[in-house]
Amino acid sequence: GENVEQHPSTLSVQEGDSAVIKCTYSDSASNYFPWYKQELGKRPQLIIDIRSNVGEKKDQRIAVTLNKTAKHFSLHITETQPEDSAVYFCAASRRGGTSYGKLTFGQGTILTVHP
Amino acid sequence: ETGVTQSPTHLIKTRGQQVTLRCSSQSGHNTVSWYQQALGQGPQFIFQYYREEENGRGNFPPRFSGLQFPNYSSELNVNALELDDSALYLCARSFQGLGETQDFGPGTRLLVL
Repeated sequence: GENVEQHPSTLSVQEGDSAVIKCTYSDSASNYFPWYKQELGKRPQLIIDIRSNVGEKKDQRIAVTLNKTAKHFSLHITETQPEDSAVYFCAASRRGGTSYGKLTFGQGTILTVHP
Repeated sequence: ETGVTQSPTHLIKTRGQQVTLRCSSQSGHNTVSWYQQALGQGPQFIFQYYREEENGRGNFPPRFSGLQFPNYSSELNVNALELDDSALYLCARSFQGLGETQDFGPGTRLLVL
């Protein structure tokens, strides 16, 4: 089955700096890669996703890049703010068939943004 | 808010007991997935239901079972509870045919003593 590795496990930055979280996946058939933000005691919330036919996607201060050949994808947050502090999870899944929508998550990254 | 609700919010059980967790959605999404999130870990896929049929299972024993009803609400049942079953249980809804995006409910936090 799919295996997703996420690094680093913790990340501490100063407000205004950039933050980068990286994930690798093992199943070359995976083609959908969402990122979730989870605040303490709350549900995971989708912040951005990318499909395998796209190499990069941006949404304001957040961007995701995908390298299918190397089987890794990354989350980039620019101009970080204290409210970006949370646990971030990457995930991977296949589209279609019986694998539809079954997400394999990474272990999570605790991001702390210091004012 | 995603419109996905779960009940109860918190639950305490003892080893060997059985538990039923519930998930419902304000709109009719035909696919519901259940995940287990242990403390400090990422969610792990338990199983998925599509149009009331199980549509794949993760690495969980048969004492984890589920149901999906015609109104797309769902239940997760766990028999013979073990201490390691203590976790946050999340359900997620999606709609096959419109993409993979999954909206998570707030979760049920289960503590097994």
